[in-house]
Amino acid sequence: QSVLTQPPSVSAAPGQKVTISCSGSSSNIGNNFVSWYQQLPGTAPKLLIYDNNKRPSGIPDRFSGSKSGTSATLGITGLQTGDEADYYCGTWDSSLSAWVFGGGTKLTVL
Amino acid sequence: EVQLVESGGGLVQPGGSLRLSCAASGFTFSNYDMHWVRQGTGKGLEWVSAIVTAGDTYYPGSVKGRFTISRENAKNSLYLQMNSLRAEDTAVYYCVRATNGFDYWGQGTLVTVSS
Repeated sequence: QSVLTQPPSVSAAPGQKVTISCSGSSSNIGNNFVSWYQQLPGTAPKLLIYDNNKRPSGIPDRFSGSKSGTSATLGITGLQTGDEADYYCGTWDSSLSAWVFGGGTKLTVL
Repeated sequence: EVQLVESGGGLVQPGGSLRLSCAASGFTFSNYDMHWVRQGTGKGLEWVSAIVTAGDTYYPGSVKGRFTISRENAKNSLYLQMNSLRAEDTAVYYCVRATNGFDYWGQGTLVTVSS
């Protein structure tokens, strides 16, 4: 049972837009920065979004992040088959004094 | 180019010990907080430990008292000493650099706890 709640799976057609939600509480998302990670099959995770909505160098602007209250959202536009991956949100939990991740969301591009 | 290369994984019996290492290159290692994150087969990411630049360490309840993270800045190396291993510790262990989020990950090393 993950501290952060993500939908197990989402799907959309190529070229379309999808959003992935990440729900937490005031001890984690509500008072700390959220980051998002993409894990392609058989590879290590890769940082997509940090500080709620910032993209590292080299991450296309098709990927976006937002936060409101105790929830965060990852948005992906112009879906490509190469975007099929598992996506994880993560943040620090001040009550647990621990870094926590969501359970992950599998994106299928139909 | 930033590189993180883990080693030391393998098969160990329940109750046994293992020491993982991570060789860092391409950045000033001593300036960064470092973490270990693990992933069981077919499962999600689980944070295992952190060591900040000042040397303070952090652990989740699942490994506290059994795992010890350490660093040797002169050798650009990160370590994870794992004792009293359990079957549920079986996972790929990633060495991770932290700035704003976890910005660089190693390729991982597999730890299997089984008799």
